[in-house]
Amino acid sequence: AQKVTQAQTEISVVEKEDVTLDCVYETRDTTYYLFWYKQPPSGELVFLIRRNSFDEQNEISGRYSWNFQKSTSSFNFTITASQVVDSAVYFCALSEAAGNQFYFGTGTSLTVIP
Amino acid sequence: DGGITQSPKYLFRKEGQNVTLSCEQNLNHDAMYWYRQDPGQGLRLIYYSQIVNDFQKGDIAEGYSVSREKKESFPLTVTSAQKNPTAFYLCASSPSYDTQYFGPGTRLTVL
Repeated sequence: AQKVTQAQTEISVVEKEDVTLDCVYETRDTTYYLFWYKQPPSGELVFLIRRNSFDEQNEISGRYSWNFQKSTSSFNFTITASQVVDSAVYFCALSEAAGNQFYFGTGTSLTVIP
Repeated sequence: DGGITQSPKYLFRKEGQNVTLSCEQNLNHDAMYWYRQDPGQGLRLIYYSQIVNDFQKGDIAEGYSVSREKKESFPLTVTSAQKNPTAFYLCASSPSYDTQYFGPGTRLTVL
């Protein structure tokens, strides 16, 4: 079974619209970490945020916000007032404290249309 | 500047050849990782190393080999046994069990 599921394969929005990228995870550990990465066309994965399992406080950073809900095992990512530069593939990932690996979702390709 | 470097950016290989992809980090991270990404796909783990002189196979290690002789370096060799090596290869490093930071990647094409 997939440990990280990103059900949205591709999303297109018009510039200035808000968009939410969904991420659902699966783990039996009580201590774990969740991440979001951005992969622009250049290819390099850029780290955006890390959240540990004991901190359910939502976070806002400029136009980005993250909603972590343990009750639904979700860690969704919202971009407000999207811009063309937000066009990229976004990956959600899970790291379990007891293990050595990251589990990446399959990514959501976001296209922002000017 | 601290970071992760990968070279070359583009690499072309003839069938039957072995090639080595370089990955260097100056972040003093203990762990290093190699991933493969095919077009439109997610990341798949090839090998990882938590400490010098030790490494473990990931999900798709067949046809690949690595070494970890120095903390800063984790080269990946794509051998002739890898039947479909054309892909984008990403190297990452992390303080153990923590955030992974990625290099710019190497795009390998088999001619």
